[in-house]
Amino acid sequence: EAQVTQNPRYLITVTGKKLTVTCSQNMNHEYMSWYRQDPGLGLRQIYYSMNVEVTDKGDVPEGYKVSRKEKRNFPLILESPSPNQTSLYFCASSSLVDGRASSYNEQFFGPGTRLTVL
Amino acid sequence: AQSVTQPDIHITVSEGASLELRCNYSYGATPYLFWYVQSPGQGLQLLLKYFSGDTLVQGIKGFEAEFKRSQSSFNLRKPSVHWSDAAEYFCAVAQRYNNNDMRFGAGTRLTVKP
Repeated sequence: EAQVTQNPRYLITVTGKKLTVTCSQNMNHEYMSWYRQDPGLGLRQIYYSMNVEVTDKGDVPEGYKVSRKEKRNFPLILESPSPNQTSLYFCASSSLVDGRASSYNEQFFGPGTRLTVL
Repeated sequence: AQSVTQPDIHITVSEGASLELRCNYSYGATPYLFWYVQSPGQGLQLLLKYFSGDTLVQGIKGFEAEFKRSQSSFNLRKPSVHWSDAAEYFCAVAQRYNNNDMRFGAGTRLTVKP
């Protein structure tokens, strides 16, 4: 089954304790992205990746890191989490069109990770 | 900068009633338009999308949306709502070749009364 998986689904942590949220897709997609969802704000992009070893900032990258060492995996790293990073996080993936992340291709979303930072 | 507005934060309809969820966008050119649904505890699923051509777009689960250029709107409709349609709905806009510029609305939460 084609899918995007995220782990953990729920996480409660404390300020400053490094954490990683994993994201994996089995569709051989080049493009992957992280979003955060906050009430009243919809989804906002944190980071994206066009392919292995190619990553770039989205709209709200502060306080986050990512890596793309393998095509299928795109972990989100919070080196020193703070309470304002309490949110619902989604990973998404899609294929490219002519080497570009085209809106023509549907983005497939993971089930989400609800993070609480105390 | 492009933006998406969903004026209704929460809508309640009775099962079997018709539904219309509003979406307005602000963008210099006609963007690509999308509606996603998020069921409780789930990720987002694409309902339908508009790129060009016929302004009335059919999607999955019996949903349709109409693009109205003059009103900068892309409202989602369903003639008869089912209890399983209770979810949060997001409108999104994007440039043609730029998934990195996809903008989501704040979402509309739909409650379905028995």
